[in-house]
Amino acid sequence: AQSVTQLDSQVPVFEEAPVELRCNYSSSVSVYLFWYVQYPNQGLQLLLKYLSGSTLVKGINGFEAEFNKSQTSFHLRKPSVHISDTAEYFCAVSELMGYSTLTFGKGTMLLVSP
Amino acid sequence: DAGVTQSPTHLIKTRGQQVTLRCSPKSGHDTVSWYQQALGQGPQFIFQYYEEEERQRGNFPDRFSGHQFPNYSSELNVNALLLGDSALYLCASSLQGSGANVLTFGAGSRLTVL
Repeated sequence: AQSVTQLDSQVPVFEEAPVELRCNYSSSVSVYLFWYVQYPNQGLQLLLKYLSGSTLVKGINGFEAEFNKSQTSFHLRKPSVHISDTAEYFCAVSELMGYSTLTFGKGTMLLVSP
Repeated sequence: DAGVTQSPTHLIKTRGQQVTLRCSPKSGHDTVSWYQQALGQGPQFIFQYYEEEERQRGNFPDRFSGHQFPNYSSELNVNALLLGDSALYLCASSLQGSGANVLTFGAGSRLTVL
């Protein structure tokens, strides 16, 4: 079984400031790693994914994440946030050999203010 | 290209009633998964359907059941509703064998149980 811990339930930042949303996972098997974003009253949209290869992954809307196997982390970063980035962000994992079942963290609310 | 569509978007039921939620997968996808997202929580896996059979199930009681039709669309049924069943129910689709375990989510059906 896997588990995902998102260390911050809420992260307030000012517009144009950098941000990091933290994610740690636990698993007895190899996993794929994902970040999803959920805007108010909407479903989940895939931001980026780590499957294999380079540990630095770039996604949509200027976001990137770095996979650190030794620390079992997959933190999400953006060098300069916009008001429109205000949303809930979810980190998730799935087993390499599984049926694409995702295990999610509890989410981090990113609040961007002017 | 239509993504994942879910209906209804909102519904209100009373305790003890039964509810059916519907999902049409993204064009070209053949696998449907259902997730429950309680307020302030990350989505939790309910079950997955492939080739009209339940292939994997999360930690949910038998009150939760589903079906997949030959056109790959799916239904989620919940019997004997409890107050705790109030949540956003998300449908996600994927293509078996495509690797990457990438899911496409719908906007969800928000169920309120009174």
